[in-house]
Amino acid sequence: AQTVTQSQPEMSVQEAETVTLSCTYDTSESNYYLFWYKQPPSRQMILVIRQEAYKQQNATENRFSVNFQKAAKSFSLKISDSQLGDTAMYFCAFMKRRGIQGGSEKLVFGKGTKLTVNP
Amino acid sequence: DVKVTQSSRYLVKRTGEKVFLECVQDMDHENMFWYRQDPGLGLRLIYFSYDVKMKEKGDIPEGYSVSREKKERFSLILESASTNQTSMYLCASSKEWSYEQYFGPGTRLTVT
Repeated sequence: AQTVTQSQPEMSVQEAETVTLSCTYDTSESNYYLFWYKQPPSRQMILVIRQEAYKQQNATENRFSVNFQKAAKSFSLKISDSQLGDTAMYFCAFMKRRGIQGGSEKLVFGKGTKLTVNP
Repeated sequence: DVKVTQSSRYLVKRTGEKVFLECVQDMDHENMFWYRQDPGLGLRLIYFSYDVKMKEKGDIPEGYSVSREKKERFSLILESASTNQTSMYLCASSKEWSYEQYFGPGTRLTVT
């Protein structure tokens, strides 16, 4: 079974600064995806960024980037130039890749990190 | 835009009641999921469905059942609600060969 661990229950950062959220995972699978999801207060969960395990290059989406260390089973999220709208719960998640074409399996989530961006 | 809707944002039920939580998606997605979210525990999968009338147990199916009679609708059923089922329930959907799951707004259920 896969497990995902987020060791930081809460974090805070000043607006415009950079913050890194940590995530480690455990799996015996070789083909999988890793995700960071964001859940703003009282709003829907949205996908922030994803990483495919077979890709060595770290994924980047605007101010969000990951540091994927496959051997260490580590997947951290860096948020640059933090904005007030980044205040949210952030969940790291794992998904086994299904078949050659890929596809959706169940997500295994970490317990989440509550990030507060202070003005 | 993909839209996943859930029948209620807030729901209060009494112990022993039968509870139905409804989820509807409008993008012809094959896969649908029910998760439970609790503080300090993250999200845990209750049940999922890859097709109409098909269902598979997730990590915490005890005390729950599901129904998927139509492709767009996935219902979570609490046969006899208990106080330990007080939680936030999130529905999600995805295309068969897509990694991305789209989430509904959630239903906060309180069982008294």
